Amino acid sequence: DIHLTQSPSFLSASVGDRVTITCRASQGISHYLAWYQQKPGRAPKLLIYAASTLHSGVPSRFSGSGSGTEFTLTITSLQPEDFATYYCQQVNNDPPYTFGQGTKLEIK
Amino acid sequence: EVHLEESGGGLVQPGRSLRLSCVGSGFAFDDYAMHWVRQAPGKGLEWVSGISWESGTIAYVDSVKGRFTISRDNAKNSLYLQMNSLRPEDTAFYYCAKEAGQYTYGFDYDSWGQGTLVTVSS
Repeated sequence: DIHLTQSPSFLSASVGDRVTITCRASQGISHYLAWYQQKPGRAPKLLIYAASTLHSGVPSRFSGSGSGTEFTLTITSLQPEDFATYYCQQVNNDPPYTFGQGTKLEIK
Repeated sequence: EVHLEESGGGLVQPGRSLRLSCVGSGFAFDDYAMHWVRQAPGKGLEWVSGISWESGTIAYVDSVKGRFTISRDNAKNSLYLQMNSLRPEDTAFYYCAKEAGQYTYGFDYDSWGQGTLVTVSS
């Protein structure tokens, strides 16, 4: 199975900050990585697919990059509604379609 | 507008069974692969099972193989998860999720239901 490790697990930042979350895969997955945002009590929402393609309706302050085993999610100019938990997921490889353990982004 | 609604969760004793359902609307249900993802309270996301649009491809996470069965009825726009021999570690919110692309399997999910809670406890 492909294992995904996100870092950091917890991140404290202020409105207006730029933050980066990293997702490392235990083996190469090309560009087959998605990022999701989840708020408490809500279902996850797709932010980015194919490592760097923004899902429809997602603000442009979100961006993704990477390929192979290392990927990043960057949020520029944090907004109050961005404080949530973020997950990466590997796709289009053999199942299971594993998720990272999550990164909780909190207000400083 | 795409809408997914799960049902069937509840409190069940270890070793017993439960069947979850997910009804989709607002899209051509039979064109999309569907998945079940679970989340134990306060924990992260875990992919459980997926099924292709025509039911030709099915997969499970190892921890549920032989106990859970995924199926779909495209005529009823419905996805199911039959869960047998339930264990306390199966306690979680169970989400159904729709793949983003038509006629794909194993890709990202652009729509999720609100989740249904399964609690396995004596």
